[in-house]
Amino acid sequence: QKEVEQNSGPLSVPEGAIASLNCTYSDRGSQSFFWYRQYSGKSPELIMSIYSNGDKEDGRFTAQLNKASQYVSLLIRDSQPSDSATYLCAVSGGSNYKLTFGKGTLLTVNP
Amino acid sequence: ETGVTQSPTHLIKTRGQQVTLRCSSQSGHNTVSWYQQALGQGPQFIFQYYREEENGRGNFPPRFSGLQFPNYSSELNVNALELDDSALYLCASSLTSASYNEQFFGPGTRLTVL
Repeated sequence: QKEVEQNSGPLSVPEGAIASLNCTYSDRGSQSFFWYRQYSGKSPELIMSIYSNGDKEDGRFTAQLNKASQYVSLLIRDSQPSDSATYLCAVSGGSNYKLTFGKGTLLTVNP
Repeated sequence: ETGVTQSPTHLIKTRGQQVTLRCSSQSGHNTVSWYQQALGQGPQFIFQYYREEENGRGNFPPRFSGLQFPNYSSELNVNALELDDSALYLCASSLTSASYNEQFFGPGTRLTVL
């Protein structure tokens, strides 16, 4: 079983729509959850971190965490073409101090 | 505040050679982690350095080694390069080694092994 799983996509949404990105993880002891955005040919850029169950909002981004279901998601409201990138879910804590990444979901926002 | 920097940006080597990649951590950060990202994959953890000591290692062979210096900058060394070592090598710095600390990535070094 893969440690962190994401839908590989591509996920295509029209400009102005809500993009929903999902991630599941296998280590129940995981405590810290991160979303990174990676543009093609660039390095990952941290956009959100979440540590407690529930929602965390930052501008157009909302991260949602459900530890019981071992599920974390990222919602992007009012999607813009500049949001087109690969979104990486990363998990740490419990038995892991390192970041364990999913393969990423490619998001395309169409004008 | 200076972010994470890495050098060189790109590197081309041949199989069997050795390579050294460098990373300067963000100001105030004492922990550096190294990751390998193959095309189409998420980054894979190589190892972490905290206060000049290796603080953990992923599933990489011993020919991958590292150092951290008193100013918390770090090096990744890879010996006996193989074709599969071709990847983007990422350095990330964090305030401390605690798992809840956010890790911030440098621009990466693209290594091509021919």
